[in-house]
Amino acid sequence: QKEVEQNSGPLSVPEGAIASLNCTYSDRVSQSFFWYRQYSGKSPELIMSIYSNGDKEDGRFTAQLNKASQYVSLLIRDSQPSDSATYLCAVNINKAAGNKLTFGGGTRVLVKP
Amino acid sequence: DAGVIQSPRHEVTEMGQEVTLRCKLISGHNSLFWYRQTMMRGLELLIYFNNNVPIDDSGMPEDRFSAKMPNASFSTLKIQPSEPRDSAVYFCASSPQGNNEQFFGPGTRLTVL
Repeated sequence: QKEVEQNSGPLSVPEGAIASLNCTYSDRVSQSFFWYRQYSGKSPELIMSIYSNGDKEDGRFTAQLNKASQYVSLLIRDSQPSDSATYLCAVNINKAAGNKLTFGGGTRVLVKP
Repeated sequence: DAGVIQSPRHEVTEMGQEVTLRCKLISGHNSLFWYRQTMMRGLELLIYFNNNVPIDDSGMPEDRFSAKMPNASFSTLKIQPSEPRDSAVYFCASSPQGNNEQFFGPGTRLTVL
């Protein structure tokens, strides 16, 4: 089992709809969770951080964390063609890892006009 | 504020040559991470430093790879000798003390012929 798993996609979403991305992780003691967006040919860009169970909203993005079930999700409301990118989930697996992040393989999102 | 700076942005070299990639951290950050990204293997952590000290180099593929951090703001990743399988995009990321958020540089696209 991979430490951080994501569905590779592509996730095809009509413009204006909600895109829902999921990420599961293996280590129950993980504390810090991040979502990065990566456009083709560009570097990963941090878009959300979440540390506590529940929802965290930032503009059209909502991150949801459920530590008991060991998953973190990202919702993109009112999806726009400019949201078409690969979204990477990253987890600080445990304290022994220091501040190292483990990345999932990414979910490719395609928003169709 | 300037983000993470990497140079060169593109490097094309021949098998057997030495390659040196450079990275300048965001001012005030104290952790530095080197990643490699390929289609096949995704984003892989090669090595990371805290306060100029290498903490985890378990991702360094083999002895041909070496990384240094001669001062608090600058790092190099060297490949000697380079091989075609080293072709990838190499990212540098930095994070501030006490925070696991990582900020990526634009990357160096390396092609070894």
